[in-house]
Amino acid sequence: GENVEQHPSTLSVQEGDSAVIKCTYSDSASNYFPWYKQELGKRPQLIIDIRSNVGEKKDQRIAVTLNKTAKHFSLHITETQPEDSAVYFCAATVGGGGADGLTFGKGTHLIIQP
Amino acid sequence: GAVVSQHPSRVICKSGTSVKIECRSLDFQATTMFWYRQFPKKSLMLMATSNEGSKATYEQGVEKDKFLINHASLTLSTLTVTSAHPEDSSFYICSARDLTRETGNEQFFGPGTRLTVL
Repeated sequence: GENVEQHPSTLSVQEGDSAVIKCTYSDSASNYFPWYKQELGKRPQLIIDIRSNVGEKKDQRIAVTLNKTAKHFSLHITETQPEDSAVYFCAATVGGGGADGLTFGKGTHLIIQP
Repeated sequence: GAVVSQHPSRVICKSGTSVKIECRSLDFQATTMFWYRQFPKKSLMLMATSNEGSKATYEQGVEKDKFLINHASLTLSTLTVTSAHPEDSSFYICSARDLTRETGNEQFFGPGTRLTVL
């Protein structure tokens, strides 16, 4: 089955700086890669996703890049703000109408220092 | 749109009892729903895929006789934790996909159910 590795487990950055979180996956059949933000005791919230036919996607301060050959994808947050502090999870699955659930990375605790 | 609800949000029970958790898609039909478990400060782990009108598909290591899943309609899946023990205490979250949407891959998560077994 799919295995998703995520690094780092904790990331502390100064407010206004950029944050990068990296993930690798093992199953070459995976073609859908979402990123979630989760606050304590809450449900995961989708912040951005990317499909395998795209190399990069951007939404305001958030961007995701995907390297299918190397099987890794990264989350980039620019101009970080205190409200960005949370746990971030990457995930992978075979999409396109398939019934596969998501395989999650172990999460990154992002801390924005004021 | 694409709202998923769960009930109850929190439950405390005695060891040996069974607990049922409901997951509902409120504004769309879901032939497939997913159940995840999340231990404190850990990641979400897929437990099983719930299929409307057929048996659930369980992930390796998840006991199907302990975690009973029923997907009786296109908007409701239930997870029953049978003979619960303290080690079953966890955050249980369901999700569903709305395949009619252009972003059909996106999974919409319920708010989760915090189970504490005494």
